Amino acid sequence: DGGITQSPKYLFRKEGQNVTLSCEQNLNHDAMYWYRQDPGQGLRLIYYSQIVNDFQKGDIAEGYSVSREKKESFPLTVTSAQKNPTAFYLCASSQRNEQYFGPGTRLTVT
Amino acid sequence: KQEVTQIPAALSVPEGENLVLNCSFTDSAIYNLQWFRQDPGKGLTSLLLIQSSQREQTSGRLNASLDKSSGRSTLYIAASQPGDSATYLCAVRLSTSYGGATNKLIFGTGTLLAVQP
Repeated sequence: DGGITQSPKYLFRKEGQNVTLSCEQNLNHDAMYWYRQDPGQGLRLIYYSQIVNDFQKGDIAEGYSVSREKKESFPLTVTSAQKNPTAFYLCASSQRNEQYFGPGTRLTVT
Repeated sequence: KQEVTQIPAALSVPEGENLVLNCSFTDSAIYNLQWFRQDPGKGLTSLLLIQSSQREQTSGRLNASLDKSSGRSTLYIAASQPGDSATYLCAVRLSTSYGGATNKLIFGTGTLLAVQP
């Protein structure tokens, strides 16, 4: 069954803690992305990676970090430096400039 | 700076009605445009992808059109069903100065569609 998986579906953390969101794909896509979605706003790009061991900042990278050690995996760490971390986080991959999305992780920080 | 707008923000129609969702963008230098569907609390599902050189794409009851020069796209849904209720988002992929694709997708804020049985 091909696709993009994100885990967990819901995540709760205390303020000041770092947290890592998982994203795995078995579509053999080179490019992977992380977006953040907030109510009333469009999706905003956090980071993207076009190839293993390479990644680029998106529009709102501050307070986030990523790694791309394997083609299939693109984990996102939300650090304590991110001022408003509570949001819905979406991972995506693309092939031939068409984007596919995972089911998302809802992060709540209190 | 590319901006993508979707109007209306919300739409309610009776079952069986044909409807049109609108997407407009400010910069015509796009590589392609993609329509997505999002159910509450879920990820985005790709519906249709239109390349900048195309005028429309069809999939089942869905038809998407693109008028690059006027910065507009429409998503036409025929014979709407309650199962079509969702948020519909459009996104444009920017093109480079030499006509290639960038990695940047700019999203609209979506149209929330409710189809009443």
